[in-house]
Amino acid sequence: EAGVTQFPSHSVIEKGQTVTLRCDPISGHDNLYWYRRVMGKEIKFLLHFVKESKQDESGMPNNRFLAERTGGTYSTLKVQPAELEDSGVYFCASSQDWRQGNTEAFFGQGTRLTVV
Amino acid sequence: LAKTTQPISMDSYEGQEVNITCSHNNIATNDYITWYQQFPSQGPRFIIQGYKTKVTNEVASLFIPADRKSSTLSLPRVSLSDTAVYYCLVGEGPGGFSGGYNKLIFGAGTRLAVHP
Repeated sequence: EAGVTQFPSHSVIEKGQTVTLRCDPISGHDNLYWYRRVMGKEIKFLLHFVKESKQDESGMPNNRFLAERTGGTYSTLKVQPAELEDSGVYFCASSQDWRQGNTEAFFGQGTRLTVV
Repeated sequence: LAKTTQPISMDSYEGQEVNITCSHNNIATNDYITWYQQFPSQGPRFIIQGYKTKVTNEVASLFIPADRKSSTLSLPRVSLSDTAVYYCLVGEGPGGFSGGYNKLIFGAGTRLAVHP
């Protein structure tokens, strides 16, 4: 069974440009989460989708970040325009609906974003 | 959400048992205790979760005293491949009272180094 996959694994862009990160959750997982770790800091929650709906976006840093999950399958996280402080590793995680039993969060390998 | 405190780093040798203790003095009644492991360039990986007493799986054991203000992750007979960062997280657990929400609050974690 494929795990959570993220694309690209690494992206280097210039300040002011736009970058779109993609996450493919484990098939059948209704819950999808975005987290990130910026340099020297701890992993921080960004937002949570239940299927295609945003359940909690309290961790989104500002309106330069836009997350979507059309159709309730894969998700994208767009940063526009990117700033230097957006550099870090962006993780995606997914989990089943809790009523299905095992609800642990499975993480992808992350996308390393470098803004120069 | 309850704040956790754990050692910044630990060193061990192959074949030894490693115990990592986490303090969570403000843990709430609805909170579960979850441990994640993270290798370099990978996303965090679920290890174990518990609410009280002792939980054991094929990877580790989790000991939680009656007051639940701390917990200890026990890794039996570690190998070099167990070198990683270990995170203790406290929050409403999957399938718990709130119905399965994985808004994980990561701390700095404990960096475990296993030596030959």
